[in-house]
Amino acid sequence: EEQLLESGGDLVKPGGSLRLSCAASGFTFKNYAMNWVRQAPGKGLEWVSGISRNGDYTYYADSVKGRFTISRDNSKNTVHLQMSSLRVEDTAVYFCVKEGSSADRFPLLNWGQGTLAVVSS
Amino acid sequence: DIQMTQAPSSLSTSVGDRVSITCRSSQSISNYLNWYQQKPGKAPKLLIYAASRLQSGVPSRFTGSGSGTDFTLTITSLRPEDFATYYCQQSYTTPWTFGQGTKVEIK
Repeated sequence: EEQLLESGGDLVKPGGSLRLSCAASGFTFKNYAMNWVRQAPGKGLEWVSGISRNGDYTYYADSVKGRFTISRDNSKNTVHLQMSSLRVEDTAVYFCVKEGSSADRFPLLNWGQGTLAVVSS
Repeated sequence: DIQMTQAPSSLSTSVGDRVSITCRSSQSISNYLNWYQQKPGKAPKLLIYAASRLQSGVPSRFTGSGSGTDFTLTITSLRPEDFATYYCQQSYTTPWTFGQGTKVEIK
């Protein structure tokens, strides 16, 4: 069974840093692009960042560009989101998401259960 | 960025009803359109990809249609487990963007 397990969510002060991790299992991790999508409390979904299968290409929402860094380790089947200069508005549940192929038009296939990051003084 | 607009934002309906949710993109996205279902406290679940393809394991009462800028998710004969929030999402170009969501509630 495919599984995406996020960790690293915590309470942090504005200006602080946090590193989220996602451990993947049940599929050939290196064959899939991965993404992070977040959801602020009571709000809709916002795509945050994506990384290509081999990690050569990374993509970011304007709202996090320059502050967040996505990376992956295909030998450990993990993807990370390093978040720095955190703002109150970054408070959200962060989902790790597996992306489908171009033939299928890049759907967000499978989602982890999410990890909560709270930025508050 | 491509803006995605869903309508309605919420609707009250009954078990057995037919429901249609529309999604409009600010520019043409061909069929790079996906639909998700989210229940409270849970992660979203992919229902429809490439505008009209049913994800494996999703009941056939869910159908998607459209191309270009206008898309529709239809649920025929609503079941109790279908009460949830539905999101459309474009995967034509990054940043991937979502509609604001449509909450389907019990009347």
